[in-house]
Amino acid sequence: GIQVEQSPPDLILQEGANSTLRCNFSDSVNNLQWFHQNPWGQLINLFYIPSGTKQNGRLSATTVATERYSLLYISSSQTTDSGVYFCAVAYKLSFGAGTTVTVRA
Amino acid sequence: GAVVSQHPSRVICKSGTSVKIECRSLDFQATTMFWYRQFPKQSLMLMATSNEGSKATYEQGVEKDKFLINHASLTLSTLTVTSAHPEDSSFYICSAPSGGTYEQYFGPGTRLTVT
Repeated sequence: GIQVEQSPPDLILQEGANSTLRCNFSDSVNNLQWFHQNPWGQLINLFYIPSGTKQNGRLSATTVATERYSLLYISSSQTTDSGVYFCAVAYKLSFGAGTTVTVRA
Repeated sequence: GAVVSQHPSRVICKSGTSVKIECRSLDFQATTMFWYRQFPKQSLMLMATSNEGSKATYEQGVEKDKFLINHASLTLSTLTVTSAHPEDSSFYICSAPSGGTYEQYFGPGTRLTVT
């Protein structure tokens, strides 16, 4: 199956800082999604982005399909951004291990 | 976005009993749904694909006789954990694609504890 690697595994930010999360995948894909898992376990859809660039408020994402990676940008981070961010690819989603983000006030 | 619900949100059962978890698509129809399992501090692992009108397909290493899946309608899939044991304690989450794309929407999950 497709291998998905996320980096870094952990990220500690001061409120207001910017950050970049990375997702590498081992094969071409027709689906790539970024999720934020809240403390109750719910997966929140952030982006559906098999290719190209999208922005939603302080978050943006870019997927370079030909080079098999995607980036998630968080700007002006807030404490509510804390949690685990997952990248997942393919129709039967294969998940990366996640990046745990902690934003300190 | 599309809404997926799960019931129950939390269940505690005794070892040897069976537990049924429901996954519903509330505002769209889903001919396919997916079931995942997540252990503490770990990522999500796909268990099986639920297909309306046909048998479920299971990922390698998942016991189909232990995790029974029934896709009863275009809006409902159920996962039954049979003869549950403590090692089956986990967070079970379902998803379904919507909107004519591959984008998946997830239910809120069911936390199963087997005592």
